[in-house]
Amino acid sequence: QKEVEQNSGPLSVPEGAIASLNCTYSDRVSQSFFWYRQYSGKSPELIMSIYSNGDKEDGRFTAQLNKASQYVSLLIRDSQPSDSATYLCAVRGDGGSTLGRLYFGRGTQLTVWP
Amino acid sequence: DTAVSQTPKYLVTQMGNDKSIKCEQNLGHDTMYWYKQDSKKFLKIMFSYNNKELIINETVPNRFSPKSPDKAHLNLHINSLELGDSAVYFCASSRYRVRNTEAFFGQGTRLTVV
Repeated sequence: QKEVEQNSGPLSVPEGAIASLNCTYSDRVSQSFFWYRQYSGKSPELIMSIYSNGDKEDGRFTAQLNKASQYVSLLIRDSQPSDSATYLCAVRGDGGSTLGRLYFGRGTQLTVWP
Repeated sequence: DTAVSQTPKYLVTQMGNDKSIKCEQNLGHDTMYWYKQDSKKFLKIMFSYNNKELIINETVPNRFSPKSPDKAHLNLHINSLELGDSAVYFCASSRYRVRNTEAFFGQGTRLTVV
């Protein structure tokens, strides 16, 4: 089992603040990285994917990837109470026996308070 | 038009029973997965089928048997249910050998064994 580690949280930020979620992974071969949001009692919902080093922005969300450091992060700007959820980092295996597997971190629970 | 759909959404059953969960996707993906999410919210892959062929088979009790009649369907049959099988089971689909491919999840089946 490849390791995907996330800052354990819970993370609590005020409305309007920037929430920063971090993730490290052990498989150097991996090329595909994802952030999923999971509301309580719901299924994981894909919110960002990133494949190249650097930043990728989508609305209030920015994913950052540094393959050399094996690190991926998610920034949520202007956080809203509706962003309160568990955020799951996922890394796709890209070699040999890991091909096609999505490895998940344990998630970081984010609470945005008004 | 739901992309990945699972039935049933809730399943309450007694120990020792046999039960099945069904999954269907209409995304045109060639690969489907079963994930188990435990009470601590950790998502762990169980099985994966690519074009009806089993490609991932993690260390799972052989009471769990997946079946894929075609690439759009993946079912999970569980024999002799135990208390420890209580969890949420998610079906997901993606494209297998395509780089930069995303996985999408069904709404989950909450299994409670009493």
